[in-house]
Amino acid sequence: QKEVEQDPGPLSVPEGAIVSLNCTYSNSAFQYFMWYRQYSRKGPELLMYTYSSGNKEDGRFTAQVDKSSKYISLFIRDSQPSDSATYLCAMRNSGGSNYKLTFGKGTLLTVNP
Amino acid sequence: DGGITQSPKYLFRKEGQNVTLSCEQNLNHDAMYWYRQDPGQGLRLIYYSQIVNDFQKGDIAEGYSVSREKKESFPLTVTSAQKNPTAFYLCASTGTADSSYNEQFFGPGTRLTVL
Repeated sequence: QKEVEQDPGPLSVPEGAIVSLNCTYSNSAFQYFMWYRQYSRKGPELLMYTYSSGNKEDGRFTAQVDKSSKYISLFIRDSQPSDSATYLCAMRNSGGSNYKLTFGKGTLLTVNP
Repeated sequence: DGGITQSPKYLFRKEGQNVTLSCEQNLNHDAMYWYRQDPGQGLRLIYYSQIVNDFQKGDIAEGYSVSREKKESFPLTVTSAQKNPTAFYLCASTGTADSSYNEQFFGPGTRLTVL
C-alpha cells in the first residue's frame, strides 16, 4: 500500500460547481497536511496547510483532515476556470528536522466556462 | 524579489551524456530538495540537503548526484547511469527556523528530454 493515495482524475466540472478532492494515507505519524496547486508546466504553489485534525477555510477553499480515517479533503466552492490545474496533496511528520514531504500523485481538475 | 530560480527551463540531452541542472534560492533557506515529476507519478524525492556540505539520498537517488557548496545553490547532475531521465525536475527549499510550520517553496522547474 502506498503511503499516500490520490485519485488522478481527470475531473471535469462546470463553472460554479463545488469540487471535492481527496487523499488517503497510511502513515499515522503524519501531522502536517498540505494542498499544492500546480498549473501546467509550472512549479507547485502552496494553497493550504492544516496541522492535525479539523477544518481550515480560506476564501473559496476549505481543507479538511480526519486523522481517525486517515483521510484529507480539499473543497473548492464556486469553482472558476482559473482553478483548472493539478492539485497535489502532501503530508509530513511533525518530528525530525528534514521537513520531507510525501506527495500524492495529483488530481487534474478542469473547470469549464 | 525572493524566490527560487531554476535553469535552464528546457534541456535536451543525448544518451550517455551527463547534464547539470541549476537551482538557486535567495530566501536564506537552510534546506533544499530535488524532485522528479513524471506524468501520473506525482513528485518523487531525489536528494535533499539540510545544511551546506551535507546531503542525503531520497527515494530515487540512483543515477543522480548533487553538491551543496553554498547555502544558496543546490545543483543536480543527471548522469549517464540514469536509465530514464526524461522528466520534469523541480527544486524546492524550506526554512528551518523554530516555528510550527515551514512552507516548502518550489522553483519553476526544468524539463529534461533525452534525445
